[in-house]
Amino acid sequence: NAGVTQTPKFQVLKTGQSMTLQCAQDMNHNSMYWYRQDPGMGLRLIYYSASEGTTDKGEVPNGYNVSRLNKREFSLRLESAAPSQTSVYFCAIPGTRLNEQFFGPGTRLTVL
Amino acid sequence: AQTVTQSQPEMSVQEAETVTLSCTYDTSENNYYLFWYKQPPSRQMILVIRQEAYKQQNATENRFSVNFQKAAKSFSLKISDSQLGDTAMYFCAFMKLYPSNSGYALNFGKGTSLLVTP
Repeated sequence: NAGVTQTPKFQVLKTGQSMTLQCAQDMNHNSMYWYRQDPGMGLRLIYYSASEGTTDKGEVPNGYNVSRLNKREFSLRLESAAPSQTSVYFCAIPGTRLNEQFFGPGTRLTVL
Repeated sequence: AQTVTQSQPEMSVQEAETVTLSCTYDTSENNYYLFWYKQPPSRQMILVIRQEAYKQQNATENRFSVNFQKAAKSFSLKISDSQLGDTAMYFCAFMKLYPSNSGYALNFGKGTSLLVTP
């Protein structure tokens, strides 16, 4: 997983609690991405950031906020967690070749 | 809208045999990229192979190869000489340009669970 780190690895929340998932890269890429993976599904894009200070909505942005305050870090915040947000969350950066993406190890989040 | 369909939820193959995983996609674009990712039980997403749509030649990476049929919008993955370590979920993905033109992201199929048996 060299290049992308995610914290925490696991988290259990109660409905209504808030938390921030952290993603950091050491590859100096402009673009960073947040995806979620639900059981039996492929990954779906939540938000992405094309450069420091900019963010755009992906396919499933509702219930999330993001922050890209510097080039290295891209955080995902759940303001009021809901059971429907139980999922595995992946952060990604561009890969070594054009249009590839390299994924972090993921965060498994359970909302009770 | 681009969609990616993997019609085989589960497949099984014996060690050393060959297996083909299917993927179809829908797009109106002419230039795009397609990928196969592997997700073992560790849940790490690992890129297996990629294909540029403008290339007619099918991509190969060691035991992995694709059959890319652009007109049919089909992108299947062939695994030769299957190994126990190939047991994993396999996801087909399409590189999608977002409307703001600020970047690309991946659009995934639902995956095929492959079990390699001794």
